[in-house]
Amino acid sequence: AQSVTQLDSHVSVSEGTPVLLRCNYSSSYSPSLFWYVQHPNKGLQLLLKYTSAATLVKGINGFEAEFKKSETSFHLTKPSAHMSDAAEYFCVVSDKGGGSYIPTFGRGTSLIVHP
Amino acid sequence: DAEITQSPRHKITETGRQVTLACHQTWNHNNMFWYRQDLGHGLRLIHYSYGVQDTNKGEVSDGYSVSRSNTEDLPLTLESAASSQTSVYFCASSRGQGAGQETQYFGPGTRLLVL
Repeated sequence: AQSVTQLDSHVSVSEGTPVLLRCNYSSSYSPSLFWYVQHPNKGLQLLLKYTSAATLVKGINGFEAEFKKSETSFHLTKPSAHMSDAAEYFCVVSDKGGGSYIPTFGRGTSLIVHP
Repeated sequence: DAEITQSPRHKITETGRQVTLACHQTWNHNNMFWYRQDLGHGLRLIHYSYGVQDTNKGEVSDGYSVSRSNTEDLPLTLESAASSQTSVYFCASSRGQGAGQETQYFGPGTRLLVL
């Protein structure tokens, strides 16, 4: 069965410093991996996704993530945090386990950005 | 523009009452999903549908039901509301052609309080 672990429930950074949100996954198949962002009182929006093409994936708002099969990781990074990046971030894995593709969400990481 | 809407956005009900949450998408997507979001749990899948007349149980389906009579709508019914069903509910849709690699599009959410 697929699973996903977001290693930090909260990450706090200063504006202008790098962001690292960590995600490890477990999958018996070739997974698709996603990062979604949720701003306060909003629905979720796709940041980026990995679907077995390039291992370094670029997303919106300067975010990127690298798929590392050997480490079963898909960490999200951004070189310089902006105040508007403060939000909840979800890592998601989807594979063909059980014969159908059902996304599994991590528990989320809250990114706090200090001025 | 295509969109996915949920109604009501906020709902207060009493224990034992039947409640229906509406979800409507104009993307013409085949797949639709219902999730609940609770602190510390991320998003958990309640029910999902791959097309008209198709419904499937997710991880936390007890006490919930759905029906899919057309492409656009997937209403979620709480048969007899319980306090444990107090949560934020999100509907999502995806195209249904990309087998696990697809982006999900989320509605704005419904906040349900069961007293």
